[in-house]
Amino acid sequence: DAGITQSPRHKVTETGTPVTLRCHQTENHRYMYWYRQDPGHGLRLIHYSYGVKDTDKGEVSDGYSVSRSKTEDFLLTLESATSSQTSVYFCAISLGQPQETQYFGPGTRLLVL
Amino acid sequence: GEDVEQSLFLSVREGDSSVINCTYTDSSSTYLYWYKQEPGAGLQLLTYIFSNMDMKQDQRLTVLLNKKDKHLSLRIADTQTGDSAIYFCAESNGNQGGKLIFGQGTELSVKP
Repeated sequence: DAGITQSPRHKVTETGTPVTLRCHQTENHRYMYWYRQDPGHGLRLIHYSYGVKDTDKGEVSDGYSVSRSKTEDFLLTLESATSSQTSVYFCAISLGQPQETQYFGPGTRLLVL
Repeated sequence: GEDVEQSLFLSVREGDSSVINCTYTDSSSTYLYWYKQEPGAGLQLLTYIFSNMDMKQDQRLTVLLNKKDKHLSLRIADTQTGDSAIYFCAESNGNQGGKLIFGQGTELSVKP
């Protein structure tokens, strides 16, 4: 998986609790992304980062925050988890232009009860 | 805004060819991609095509791009049961941030 790991791989949590998902890369790629995948919606971009401490919102960013203090780590935080955030979360990395090909991690399955 | 559309399901017999179609709306797309997702796994890049190309072939995979109609297709020759998966098309337009817009995915079922 192009040197991308995600942790945890599975998590069950309760509504209202904070949750942090971690994405770690060993490829030194500049860009990192967090997506969620839900049936009927494909992949939707939550947040992305174009460098250390440089992040921006995607199309479904409400209820999520991110941080990138090192090139290799991109954290996704659900401040107060809700059942609508039950999903599979994927991290991806990219070198950026020209091809902008993204390489994906194995995913984290999150269940919010 | 930008949109990418795919049909949701495709069923073929083993040994037949599969053709998965995708349409997109962004006329400034520079690269278009095909990803494969097997059950329980992440997305794996299959191939990509630059927007100034009409066709790209890679072993059993053939990508056709009709830029005028904004139509992309992936043909898998001699489809095998191991090709059963969800296939996503995606497009980028070269904007900073390298954001990709994904289709909903086409679930390919290969029957023996």
